[in-house]
Amino acid sequence: QKEVEQNSGPLSVPEGAIASLNCTYSDRGSQSFFWYRQYSGKSPELIMSIYSNGDKEDGRFTAQLNKASQYVSLLIRDSQPSDSATYLCAVNWGRGSTLGRLYFGRGTQLTVWP
Amino acid sequence: EPEVTQTPSHQVTQMGQEVILRCVPISNHLYFYWYRQILGQKVEFLVSFYNNEISEKSEIFDDQFSVERPDGSNFTLKIRSTKLEDSAMYFCASSETRGSNEQFFGPGTRLTVL
Repeated sequence: QKEVEQNSGPLSVPEGAIASLNCTYSDRGSQSFFWYRQYSGKSPELIMSIYSNGDKEDGRFTAQLNKASQYVSLLIRDSQPSDSATYLCAVNWGRGSTLGRLYFGRGTQLTVWP
Repeated sequence: EPEVTQTPSHQVTQMGQEVILRCVPISNHLYFYWYRQILGQKVEFLVSFYNNEISEKSEIFDDQFSVERPDGSNFTLKIRSTKLEDSAMYFCASSETRGSNEQFFGPGTRLTVL
């Protein structure tokens, strides 16, 4: 059974702080990892993808992947109130017939207060 | 910037009626997906589609569901006889290649079955 787990939160941080969001997954065979942002009532918006161990930075966002620990995280530096949303972790196992299919976590709700 | 579009934004139907949800994927993308999200729950995979055929479908995608690419731009999801539990947000997504599998989501169709 492929599972993607996230703390549901809510995670609350002050403006300008670093928000740290975590995700674990159940199967070492995972190939691709994604973070999506979802505002209330809206669709998931892709913000980061990561495929190999280590860090990947894009602006204020840093994704970190540790395949041995089956762990992926997202850091948001200089958090802004506009970052307040639910952050979804998604995993693609990339094997055989499951190529392409994304498995989502329940999401972590982030609130950034001014 | 190219984006996935979906129509209608909201569909209300009576139980047992057929509905067709429409999507226009990003023009150079080759892989197409449908996901759904019941209120307050995870985003769930329904089906993937490539080269005019289904690549994979989940256990949710039973005989009541079908997908079609009727022309070079549209991608549709049909639910033949809707049930109350089909009420959800339905998201279409597309990706350029399986390799990167970065999937970009449309704004969604909110389906309400009465």
